Amino acid sequence: EIVLTQSPGTLSLSPGDRATLSCRASQSVTSNFLAWYQQKPGQAPRLLIYGASRRATGIPDRFSGSGSGTDFTLTISRLEPEDFAVYYCQQFGRSPPIFTFGPGTKVDLK
Amino acid sequence: QLQLQESGPRLVKPSQTLSLTCDVPGGSINGGGFAWSWIRQPPGKGLEWVGYVYHTGSTSYNPSLNSRVTISLDKPRNQFSLNLNSVTAADTAVYYCARGSLSLIQGVMGFFDYWGQGSLVTVSS
Repeated sequence: EIVLTQSPGTLSLSPGDRATLSCRASQSVTSNFLAWYQQKPGQAPRLLIYGASRRATGIPDRFSGSGSGTDFTLTISRLEPEDFAVYYCQQFGRSPPIFTFGPGTKVDLK
Repeated sequence: QLQLQESGPRLVKPSQTLSLTCDVPGGSINGGGFAWSWIRQPPGKGLEWVGYVYHTGSTSYNPSLNSRVTISLDKPRNQFSLNLNSVTAADTAVYYCARGSLSLIQGVMGFFDYWGQGSLVTVSS
């Protein structure tokens, strides 16, 4: 079973800063099956990135995803006030067919 | 815009069964390509995938919950349901229903594109 680790646990930044969030897998992940979500307090998660690098519908282009194998990155080029939230990576394994989430990275206001 | 809506008891006693239903108004669970899923989040903690049901009725569950969970479809009502038995306080969480992509379109799949708003279920006597 693949385990996802996210770092850092908390990222303290200011609006306008660049945010770089890491997701590392315990074994190689199919890039096309790696996704990122944003969650704000009291809300359901929102899909940001799927297939490691494809932005979901309506997601601003300041969000980008990259990576392959065991190391993946979510980058927010310039933080807007509404971007302060918790971010989760998630992978899908086809055999057996199960989904796994990382523990999350909180981006908070410095 | 697809909508998903959880419903069910918000308070369950220890050792009993937690039961939730997800309505999918404006959409159909009869077609293939989607994992109709349950995901939970204990207060202040991260997301945990519980399991999914496919349109054929086939299922896949989180190995850590496999012995206690059942997810099923109700096609005439366009709903799917979660049953989690022998619950303890550790099962207290916000339970989300979500649609997972299992159709390999343009080489990608395995992500959750639509979510319900979530339902907090508390296990307590």
